[in-house]
This record gives sequence, structure tokens and C-alpha cells, in this order.
Amino acid sequence: NAGVTQTPKFRVLKTGQSMTLLCAQDMNHEYMYWYRQDPGMGLRLIHYSVGEGTTAKGEVPDGYNVSRLKKQNFLLGLESAAPSQTSVYFCASSSLPQASNQPQHFGDGTRLSIL
Amino acid sequence: ELKVEQNPLFLSMQEGKNYTIYCNYSTTSDRLYWYRQDPGKSLESLFVLLSNGAVKQEGRLMASLDTKARLSTLHITAAVHDLSATYFCAVDMTSGSRLTFGEGTQLTVNP
Repeated sequence: NAGVTQTPKFRVLKTGQSMTLLCAQDMNHEYMYWYRQDPGMGLRLIHYSVGEGTTAKGEVPDGYNVSRLKKQNFLLGLESAAPSQTSVYFCASSSLPQASNQPQHFGDGTRLSIL
Repeated sequence: ELKVEQNPLFLSMQEGKNYTIYCNYSTTSDRLYWYRQDPGKSLESLFVLLSNGAVKQEGRLMASLDTKARLSTLHITAAVHDLSATYFCAVDMTSGSRLTFGEGTQLTVNP
């Protein structure tokens, strides 16, 4: 009963380094999302996907790229990490909008520090 | 641009007391979600409100939605320490499951 799994859980990077965050869901959800959470700002949507092979920009997409090659996986990439990208990153998934009585399901988060 | 505002942002209350958290949003929507987050943890879904006048209750928490006023409330009855957490409302304005979150209300229930 894994739900939404994020790896890694913690990471420290140096400015300019790149990395990929992995999100996997086992609920057969069509929609997947990446958010970042910063103190006092709630969660902000970075990118999202409405199905395998599709991606779209959210509220704060700059400096990030995503890919959804398989339905169950959604990858978030940082091309050249900057200190402003220090944050907690959450992945979420949900079923189709027609089934909107179901909420988004969240992973446990990845705590990322950029030095 | 959709804006979602919660108040208060910080709430300290005594056990046994009642209080209400407010969530105002700026654009028409009939889908609103409440989540709970414990420190260092993930977000847990509390309520899904899908229509005007919707009211849902779970234990000491009750949520309601007034789409005409663009307002949702989360009412806490006879608070207990275990309710200490940060509560977020989130609004779906796109009919496509894209959520905009409020800043969160950090609730502390003191013995």
C-alpha cells in the first residue's frame, strides 16, 4: 500500500549541480504534480502531467524540467541548481477530474538544500 | 489570477475551546479541499467540498463551502492537543485538478 513514493528524501547540492527527483505512484492515477513548499507560502505548483507522455507548466516552472515516460513515474529535474531552489518538494497524484470527489494524494516530500 | 487567503495564519488555542479557520478565494470555483500537515510530514486529505452549501464533518472538524461568497470555513469543536498541525485549503479553478493552495494556518492547541 505504497501510494506515492518520492526518492530521495534528503539531498544537499552545490550551486550549479544537477539532479533528478523521482516520484512513483501505484494507484493508476492519470494526473501527477510537482510542488514546492517554502515557509509562509503554502505549496506552489511547478509542473504537472495529465497523462503518460504529457507535461505542462505550473505556477513556478523556471529552472525545472519534468518527464513522464511511464504512467506511474514523474521525474523532476534541476538543470543547474541555485540557492533559491532550496525547498521541500512534494509530488502528488490524482485520478481524472470527472472523479473529483477524490483528493490529490501526496508523497512524503524531498528536502533539498542548495549550498 | 487565483488567490487563496487563509486567516488566521497562526492560531493558539486552549483545549476544549471552539474556533474557525477561514479560507477566501478570488475566482469562481466549486471545488475546495482541506488538508492537514504535521511538522516534517506529508499532506493528509481532510475534506473534499464539491458544491455550494456542502458541509462535511469528521470528529471535531467540520468544513463548509459557500461558493457565492467564495468562502470556506473549517470549524474546530472542543479542541484537543492532537489537532495541533498546519491546515491548508486548496481551490481548483481549472476543472482539471490544478490546485492553488492557501498559505496555511498553523494551529497549536495548548493543554
